Amino acid sequence: GAVVSQHPSWVICKSGTSVKIECRSLDFQATTMFWYRQFPKQSLMLMATSNEGSKATYEQGVEKDKFLINHASLTLSTLTVTSAHPEDSSFYICSALGTENTEAFFGQGTRLTVV
Amino acid sequence: GNSVTQMEGPVTLSEEAFLTINCTYTATGYPSLFWYVQYPGEGLQLLLKATKADDKGSNKGFEATYRKETTSFHLEKGSVQVSDSAVYFCALSDPPGGSYIPTFGRGTSLIVHP
Repeated sequence: GAVVSQHPSWVICKSGTSVKIECRSLDFQATTMFWYRQFPKQSLMLMATSNEGSKATYEQGVEKDKFLINHASLTLSTLTVTSAHPEDSSFYICSALGTENTEAFFGQGTRLTVV
Repeated sequence: GNSVTQMEGPVTLSEEAFLTINCTYTATGYPSLFWYVQYPGEGLQLLLKATKADDKGSNKGFEATYRKETTSFHLEKGSVQVSDSAVYFCALSDPPGGSYIPTFGRGTSLIVHP
């Protein structure tokens, strides 16, 4: 199956700093990528849909100025958490829509801890 | 809109027991159905899928059959192992014409004891 690589797998940062998380499709081109947030013992909450070359579509309640998404190429989307605060600590997961648009492939997730 | 309902966990079983995790869905179109597995501290992995009615998805001893008449996609395994302990997510996506964005259930935690 298709491979999606997410980096870093974990990161610790200080309050007020920004953190960038990368999501790469390694063996296919992904015009659409998704960013999710997962709280402990809960399901995935869709944050935004990222389309290559255009602005991301954010779900209701997600601050677009805080969670900056860039999808500059067909194999890379980035999520930048700006001015991070402890409440932003969470598990962030990206996924990429396969070329046949019938299945989404997931990265391994990034554990963000803001101290 | 689309939605997925899973049985609440945790499901606790002894090794070699039979597993069923129920999943039902509502969808506006004719969705594809998926089961994903998430091991502790990791992302989601696709376990199996089915794209049309009466299809059976299977992988690693797990099976699920797409039942359009009951709008269900229950996950089963005949003999679970300790290594199957994980969280299992049922999901659907509703192309073409609908949204490709997967809709997830809330997940069911499976704990298998030796």
